[in-house]
Amino acid sequence: EPEVTQTPSHQVTQMGQEVILRCVPISNHLYFYWYRQILGQKVEFLVSFYNNEISEKSEIFDDQFSVERPDGSNFTLKIRSTKLEDSAMYFCASSDTYGGVGETQYFGPGTRLLVL
Amino acid sequence: AQRVTQPEKLLSVFKGAPVELKCNYSYSGSPELFWYVQYSRQRLQLLLRHISRESIKGFTADLNKGETSFHLKKPFAQEEDSAMYYCALNQGGKLIFGQGTELSVKP
Repeated sequence: EPEVTQTPSHQVTQMGQEVILRCVPISNHLYFYWYRQILGQKVEFLVSFYNNEISEKSEIFDDQFSVERPDGSNFTLKIRSTKLEDSAMYFCASSDTYGGVGETQYFGPGTRLLVL
Repeated sequence: AQRVTQPEKLLSVFKGAPVELKCNYSYSGSPELFWYVQYSRQRLQLLLRHISRESIKGFTADLNKGETSFHLKKPFAQEEDSAMYYCALNQGGKLIFGQGTELSVKP
């Protein structure tokens, strides 16, 4: 069964550094998402992406964040200048429909980001 | 504001006992609700959705619009059901998650 994959599984970085988290969505999916989960807190929506554009973003997704689909397979989340509070598990998800009845989002295993 | 509430952080039961994981929501439109499960060291997986009205791994969930609830139930818990369970609401393409309930099924 096809799965969403994410790399790296863990990333440690210094505050102020840029990080890029990578995701390979399921191949025939067109809608892509990033969520994050700070330790002990709920999974929070960051951004949705379709047709090379952001469809929706949350308040968390400020100017430090950007997303890109640089080629036909990867979907990346960039944090330009990391802060301590960016430490979290970041999940990528993809779906073949968007917001409609019957939509299912399939999640990757996550990237655990630790900012020191 | 749209919200999903799972009041229990941890639910511990013995094998064979009934299980009910609670989920309440607030949503102004017609809700589409899901239960996701995360087994130890694994990814979030869809367990079931309310529109399917199906039973997966013995779990069922019924949408009660009057009580704005979508509780997850299983009549006889198994040890392999131990996991984190997340209730989620689809708000136009983005999922709003509850805090999650850790289910621990003891032998």
